[in-house]
Amino acid sequence: AQSVTQLDSHVSVSEGTPVLLRCNYSSSYSPSLFWYVQHPNKGLQLLLKYTSAATLVKGINGFEAEFKKSETSFHLTKPSAHMSDAAEYFCVVENTGFQKLVFGTGTRLLVSP
Amino acid sequence: DGGITQSPKYLFRKEGQNVTLSCEQNLNHDAMYWYRQDPGQGLRLIYYSQIVNDFQKGDIAEGYSVSREKKESFPLTVTSAQKNPTAFYLCASRDTDTEAFFGQGTRLTVV
Repeated sequence: AQSVTQLDSHVSVSEGTPVLLRCNYSSSYSPSLFWYVQHPNKGLQLLLKYTSAATLVKGINGFEAEFKKSETSFHLTKPSAHMSDAAEYFCVVENTGFQKLVFGTGTRLLVSP
Repeated sequence: DGGITQSPKYLFRKEGQNVTLSCEQNLNHDAMYWYRQDPGQGLRLIYYSQIVNDFQKGDIAEGYSVSREKKESFPLTVTSAQKNPTAFYLCASRDTDTEAFFGQGTRLTVV
């Protein structure tokens, strides 16, 4: 069975500094991986997705993630945080073709001025 | 505009009552999902449907029921058997090999 572990429940950064949100996955098959963002009391918005093409995936709002099979990781990064990035971020894994998404427990990103 | 609409945004349930949460999509997606979100626990899958008139239990289906009579609609009923229904409920839809699109959620509170 597939699973995903988000290694930090909270990450605090200052505006203008880099962001790193860590995600490790477990999957018996070739996985698809996603990062979603959720602002308070809202639905989830897709940031980026990996589906076995390029291992470095670029998403919206300057975010990117690198798929590392040897480390079973899919960490999310951004070179420079903005106040509007403050939200909860979810790493998601899916075994290709099975249609069932498994969510991590989320990482809350706090951005200070 | 294409998208997923959940209603109501806020819902209050008395002890022993059944309540139904609405989810409608106009994206022509085959698959639809219901998730429950609790603080610190991420999203947990309640039910999902890959095609009209068919649905499967997710990880926490007890105390919930669904129907899928139309492609665009996937209502969720929270029954009195669900002992701790207070949560944020999210509906999603997708096509094969695409990302999931989410509604804005319904916050259910037991009063």
